[in-house]
Amino acid sequence: SQTIHQWPATLVQPVGSPLSLECTVEGTSNPNLYWYRQAAGRGLQLLFYSVGIGQISSEVPQNLSASRPQDRQFILSSKKLLLSDSGFYLCAWTTSGSYNEQFFGPGTRLTVL
Amino acid sequence: AQSVTQLDSQVPVFEEAPVELRCNYSSSVSVYLFWYVQYPNQGLQLLLKYLSGSTLVESINGFEAEFNKSQTSFHLRKPSVHISDTAEYFCAVRPNTGFQKLVFGTGTRLLVSP
Repeated sequence: SQTIHQWPATLVQPVGSPLSLECTVEGTSNPNLYWYRQAAGRGLQLLFYSVGIGQISSEVPQNLSASRPQDRQFILSSKKLLLSDSGFYLCAWTTSGSYNEQFFGPGTRLTVL
Repeated sequence: AQSVTQLDSQVPVFEEAPVELRCNYSSSVSVYLFWYVQYPNQGLQLLLKYLSGSTLVESINGFEAEFNKSQTSFHLRKPSVHISDTAEYFCAVRPNTGFQKLVFGTGTRLLVSP
């Protein structure tokens, strides 16, 4: 069966520090991968998605970036965190090709102080 | 482009009472519709989905939603809620062709009290 992992589960970082959040999927190949941010009272905002290794699409301008160095690995990064980067970050995947439901990871709670 | 409106940010109900969580969407093309549930500090889980066919869809834990194309709605209902249903519920849509992204509403927090 397929599983999706995210780490760390929680993170407290000072403003201006770098960020690296990791997401890995097991039990499937060539998934479509997604990064969402959930801020209080604002629902889910799609940040990035990827249909293959090295292929990243950005949805909103921001100081975050994403990379997909391996088929089932998706990384969210920042060189310098802002206070507004605080939130709950969710990784999700779907099978490639015809549409199937999105499966979400457990999330990472990021607090920028 | 698509958009989703969940007008109720929070819905308080008593245990065993019925509940309806409202979802309206906007789209110029045909869509798939979804309800996700999120328990505290967890990821989202798919509750139910409408892809085609019968406009009334049901989940295994007693929730149901009805797709109403003329009113562009996909309201979620349950005839009798439990304390364990306390969670945040998200409605989402996406076009039914090609690779498209899910568009989520802002969520409705269901608070069930004894």
